[in-house]
Amino acid sequence: AQRVTQPEKLLSVFKGAPVELKCNYSYSGSPELFWYVQYSRQRLQLLLRHISRESIKGFTADLNKGETSFHLKKPFAQEEDSAMYYCALNPSNTGKLIFGQGTTLQVKP
Amino acid sequence: EAGVAQSPRYKIIEKRQSVAFWCNPISGHATLYWYQQILGQGPKLLIQFQNNGVVDDSQLPKDRFSAERLKGVDSTLKIQPAKLEDSAVYLCASSLLAGAYNEQFFGPGTRLTVL
Repeated sequence: AQRVTQPEKLLSVFKGAPVELKCNYSYSGSPELFWYVQYSRQRLQLLLRHISRESIKGFTADLNKGETSFHLKKPFAQEEDSAMYYCALNPSNTGKLIFGQGTTLQVKP
Repeated sequence: EAGVAQSPRYKIIEKRQSVAFWCNPISGHATLYWYQQILGQGPKLLIQFQNNGVVDDSQLPKDRFSAERLKGVDSTLKIQPAKLEDSAVYLCASSLLAGAYNEQFFGPGTRLTVL
């Protein structure tokens, strides 16, 4: 079965602390993985995709096929990072996205 | 560039009534998606169009939900009759083409409450 699991509903950290949002997936093929973010009162938007190997707003994510994980990391959290984060899987390059349940990141001053 | 437009933004109906949602994708985007997002869950794909053809509707409850994209541009999603469990945010997204390399752009969503 194709599935994305985000085990934490809420992650609360202080400004300047490291952040790791966990994402595990279940897929037998070669996965295409993404992180989407939704800031308060804004639309869901793409944050980064694993194939680009990029850092966006200080966030990075590494695909670990052995552990079937795609955790999102940032060394120093900022208050403006507070948002809902969704991990998503695109199976078979179809464009269809399978989303996890989402994790709310709360960065306290 | 103008983003994905959706209307209405909010809708409250009684169970067994009908409702329709409208989506206008970004100009030139061939692929259009409808997602259902129930409170506390991630979005779930209901249907994917490529131009005016259906690519994937495997998770669309076809006994009550229907969608069309007649001219390959705007799309409507209809629920008839609505059930309590249809209460959710309905998101429309579009991308230039299908495939993982094509970023999906999301609309603001329509929040449906079924009483």
